[in-house]
Amino acid sequence: AQSVTQLDSQVPVFEEAPVELRCNYSSSVSVYLFWYVQYPNQGLQLLLKYLSGSTLVKGINGFEAEFNKSQTSFHLRKPSVHISDTAEYFCARRGPGRRALTFGSGTRLQVQP
Amino acid sequence: SQTIHQWPATLVQPVGSPLSLECTVEGTSNPNLYWYRQAAGRGLQLLFYSVGIGQISSEVPQNLSASRPQDRQFILSSKKLLLSDSGFYLCAWSEFQGQAHNEQFFGPGTRLTVL
Repeated sequence: AQSVTQLDSQVPVFEEAPVELRCNYSSSVSVYLFWYVQYPNQGLQLLLKYLSGSTLVKGINGFEAEFNKSQTSFHLRKPSVHISDTAEYFCARRGPGRRALTFGSGTRLQVQP
Repeated sequence: SQTIHQWPATLVQPVGSPLSLECTVEGTSNPNLYWYRQAAGRGLQLLFYSVGIGQISSEVPQNLSASRPQDRQFILSSKKLLLSDSGFYLCAWSEFQGQAHNEQFFGPGTRLTVL
């Protein structure tokens, strides 16, 4: 079965510090990976996606993620966070033959001043 | 440009009452449509998806049903709500190209509280 694991339910970090949000997925022949952000009481907004090609993917708001096939990971990083980055972040995958996304349980990023 | 609307934004309903949540998409034709539920402290669970009018696929057995009466309209319903139906309901759409990497675009969500 296709699955996505986000190991950290909450990540507190100070403003201007770097952050990494971890995501691991169940192995598949081919996989498409996504990171979404959800601000309180809002829908989801796509941060970045990996489809193929370069394993380092750059997204909006200064975020980037690295696809690591051997470790089946797709960790999200930002070198310096802002208060406005406080939100819930979801990792998701879509495998072959699947129309819908499989989401992880989410990681709440709390940026403190 | 494409936009997706959901209403109502919030809803408080008693146990046993019916439910109807609506989602509409503008600016595209023949989209794939999806209903997800986000329970408190949990990730998103796919409930239904639709590839065309009248075509509904259910991912999990439950107290809910979905319908697609028009190309860009997706409705989530229940005849009798349960306490466990409380959550944040998100509608999403994607282009109908049959390719796995299509991005899904999410609506603003409906927060349902069943008392």
